[in-house]
Amino acid sequence: DAGVTQSPTHLIKTRGQQVTLRCSPKSGHDTVSWYQQALGQGPQFIFQYYEEEERQRGNFPDRFSGHQFPNYSSELNVNALLLGDSALYLCASSFSKTRAVYFGPGTRLTVT
Amino acid sequence: AQTVTQSQPEMSVQEAETVTLSCTYDTSESDYYLFWYKQPPSRQMILVIRQEAYKQQNATENRFSVNFQKAAKSFSLKISDSQLGDAAMYFCAYRTVIQGAQKLVFGQGTRLTINP
Repeated sequence: DAGVTQSPTHLIKTRGQQVTLRCSPKSGHDTVSWYQQALGQGPQFIFQYYEEEERQRGNFPDRFSGHQFPNYSSELNVNALLLGDSALYLCASSFSKTRAVYFGPGTRLTVT
Repeated sequence: AQTVTQSQPEMSVQEAETVTLSCTYDTSESDYYLFWYKQPPSRQMILVIRQEAYKQQNATENRFSVNFQKAAKSFSLKISDSQLGDAAMYFCAYRTVIQGAQKLVFGQGTRLTINP
């Protein structure tokens, strides 16, 4: 049973560019959340997707957007990248009827 | 809004000894969940232990146990018989539900070093 997977593992982008990160939830999970973890900090909630809709958003600008597909996989898009967007982006999946949350290995984004 | 505070940026312990990591939180909710996650250098966030607020009994998972003091809003993690593989960042997290969406609020983390 595959756990949460994310791609790519590492990514280097230039300021102003756009990036797309991908996540496949654990088998049987229907809910995907995204977190941003800056170096030396705890993860911060970006948003959550359920039934292909954004259900809740944290304190992040509209440059951060996402999508959930019918197979429950999800994408995180960040436009007009800033140096401060450099971080580890974690995807977490869960099943709507339970409370267990499983994290993926993350994508390390570096903006230069 | 809920907040989680970990006051120990770094901790170290001798192998086979016991160490306690501290966590306090602030909430006005009466029913909630608390978690401890471990993040080794591999970056994978791994669930160590969880506690439901309505349960008075402290959760235990093998060498890991918590001291949950609801009135004091304190949730510490005790690691017994520390092993080299326990070295990692440890994050305390509070689960909140807003409009049906659950999200985790994390503390700043504690870096645990195990000395052989």
